[in-house]
Amino acid sequence: EADIYQTPRYLVIGTGKKITLECSQTMGHDKMYWYQQDPGMELHLIHYSYGVNSTEKGDLSSESTVSRIRTEHFPLTLESARPSHTSQYLCASSERGSGNTIYFGEGSWLTVV
Amino acid sequence: KQEVTQIPAALSVPEGENLVLNCSFTDSAIYNLQWFRQDPGKGLTSLLLIQSSQREQTSGRLNASLDKSSGRSTLYIAASQPGDSATYLCAVPGGPTSGTYKYIFGTGTRLKVLA
Repeated sequence: EADIYQTPRYLVIGTGKKITLECSQTMGHDKMYWYQQDPGMELHLIHYSYGVNSTEKGDLSSESTVSRIRTEHFPLTLESARPSHTSQYLCASSERGSGNTIYFGEGSWLTVV
Repeated sequence: KQEVTQIPAALSVPEGENLVLNCSFTDSAIYNLQWFRQDPGKGLTSLLLIQSSQREQTSGRLNASLDKSSGRSTLYIAASQPGDSATYLCAVPGGPTSGTYKYIFGTGTRLKVLA
């Protein structure tokens, strides 16, 4: 079983609030990812990291930001939440290299009202 | 640009049936292909990972095959059970031009196994 954890699992927040979605993994993986998924829709990569102090934006433009100060921790922050940010956010990790399994957390459901 | 397609989009079968889910990809230069299961409102659980040098992988009642030359993979589920009901997704790394870190996901097949 994958050791990757996301908190909170569910969050309802008002427009304009700042939020941080936490993601931690205990597998020592170098690569970490954030995906966004609307209900019944496909996954879109919004951020990824190759390792500490390495972060890049993914395919889908996102107003969120990420940081990677420690290997095991990859938090995602929205400075000012809007209803359009309502979605499920999935964190994932994998080992260095191209042929490795990618492991997902349980996801964080964000609703902005 | 790599594109991943899954057919059918939804499938409903009676318990006990053997079934096949399909995954097609446009660029055959892949490092591997991974099958996932996603339960409603949850994250993805990795089921099987097939390396580009392999033709199939098996785990319990699941068997995944890979035909790189034709750009296809199939997930075979034997003796389906109601607990198999979920959305099944396949994913491939994007490749050198788009970055191998970018897993490209299909839109999934929603499976419902009726008791």
